[in-house]
Amino acid sequence: GENVEQHPSTLSVQEGDSAVIKCTYSDSASNYFPWYKQELGKRPQLIIDIRSNVGEKKDQRIAVTLNKTAKHFSLHITETQPEDSAVYFCAASEAGGSYIPTFGRGTSLIVHP
Amino acid sequence: KAGVTQTPRYLIKTRGQQVTLSCSPISGHRSVSWYQQTPGQGLQFLFEYFSETQRNKGNFPGRFSGRQFSNSRSEMNVSTLELGDSALYLCASSSSALNTEAFFGQGTRLTVV
Repeated sequence: GENVEQHPSTLSVQEGDSAVIKCTYSDSASNYFPWYKQELGKRPQLIIDIRSNVGEKKDQRIAVTLNKTAKHFSLHITETQPEDSAVYFCAASEAGGSYIPTFGRGTSLIVHP
Repeated sequence: KAGVTQTPRYLIKTRGQQVTLSCSPISGHRSVSWYQQTPGQGLQFLFEYFSETQRNKGNFPGRFSGRQFSNSRSEMNVSTLELGDSALYLCASSSSALNTEAFFGQGTRLTVV
């Protein structure tokens, strides 16, 4: 089955800095890579996703890049704000088998004002 | 439209007891997945139901079971509770299309004492 590794587990930045979270996956058949944000005490919510026919996708201050050859994808947050503080999960979904996403262990992002 | 609803929100049980958690998906969504979330372990997939059938299963012992009703509502049952079962249990619903966004409920916080 799919295996998703996520790093770092904790990321601390100053407001205004950029933050990068990296994930690797094992199954070359995976073709859907969503990112979820979970604020303290709340449910995970999708913030951005990318499919394997796209190398990069941007939505305002967040962007995701995908390298299918190397089997890794990254989340980039620019001009971080305190409200970006949350746990971020990456996931990978297999195309040919079960489409249930396999999640990484999460990154706790702390943005200091 | 209404989101994913999980009940109860909080539950305290004693070791050896059993518990049933409920999840009502977004109207029209036929897929319901269950996850166990513990600190440092991320989102561990339990099982997924689609049209009243268990379609996928994660690596959890047989004490964890579930079912789905004709209205797509799902229940999850844990028998012979252990201290290590203390966790946040999240369910997520999605449409029948492959590789689409999973919408999470608020979760049920289970504490086993």
